[in-house]
Amino acid sequence: KAGVTQTPRYLIKTRGQQVTLSCSPISGHRSVSWYQQTPGQGLQFLFEYFSETQRNKGNFPGRFSGRQFSNSRSEMNVSTLELGDSALYLCASKRETGSGSEAFFGQGTRLTVV
Amino acid sequence: AQSVTQLGSHVSVSEGALVLLRCNYSSSVPPYLFWYVQYPNQGLQLLLKYTSAATLVKGINGFEAEFKKSETSFHLTKPSAHMSDAAEYFCAVIETGGFKTIFGAGTRLFVKA
Repeated sequence: KAGVTQTPRYLIKTRGQQVTLSCSPISGHRSVSWYQQTPGQGLQFLFEYFSETQRNKGNFPGRFSGRQFSNSRSEMNVSTLELGDSALYLCASKRETGSGSEAFFGQGTRLTVV
Repeated sequence: AQSVTQLGSHVSVSEGALVLLRCNYSSSVPPYLFWYVQYPNQGLQLLLKYTSAATLVKGINGFEAEFKKSETSFHLTKPSAHMSDAAEYFCAVIETGGFKTIFGAGTRLFVKA
């Protein structure tokens, strides 16, 4: 069974540009969450999608947005990139047969903003 | 609202020594609790999960954790550290009936030869 797949693995962008990251969850998983991980702030929750609807949202500016498609694949977009957006972005999927489901993580996308 | 506190951002042990990583949670209802491990430039991998079936939970790679309601703790232990255990460890909580996973700040484990 394939795991959570994130593309691309590495990305370098310039300040002011925008970027789109992709996440393909494990087959059958309907919940997809996104996290930003930096050395200074740790693992911070961005948002969660379930059945194409945003179910939870973290405390990030509106430059960060996401969406989920009918096949549960999800994309995350960051507009007007800032140097501080450099981070490892992690995607996690859950089966959600009930509450308490564990999250399965992808390997992440390392974004560097220069 | 639930929260997770991991005591000690860095823990260093010698190879063969006991590993103890501390996690305390705050939750208004019985929670689901997890430990994850992260190796450099990788995603998080589930080590073990508490779902109220048993207070002592055994996970992969010889790790285990004990749920103590009276102490609101879920500490992770391993009897004998191996060099390959060097990684960052995250404790996480989901409130029963909830869906959002809240992660602790993480504890980086160093293993000395």
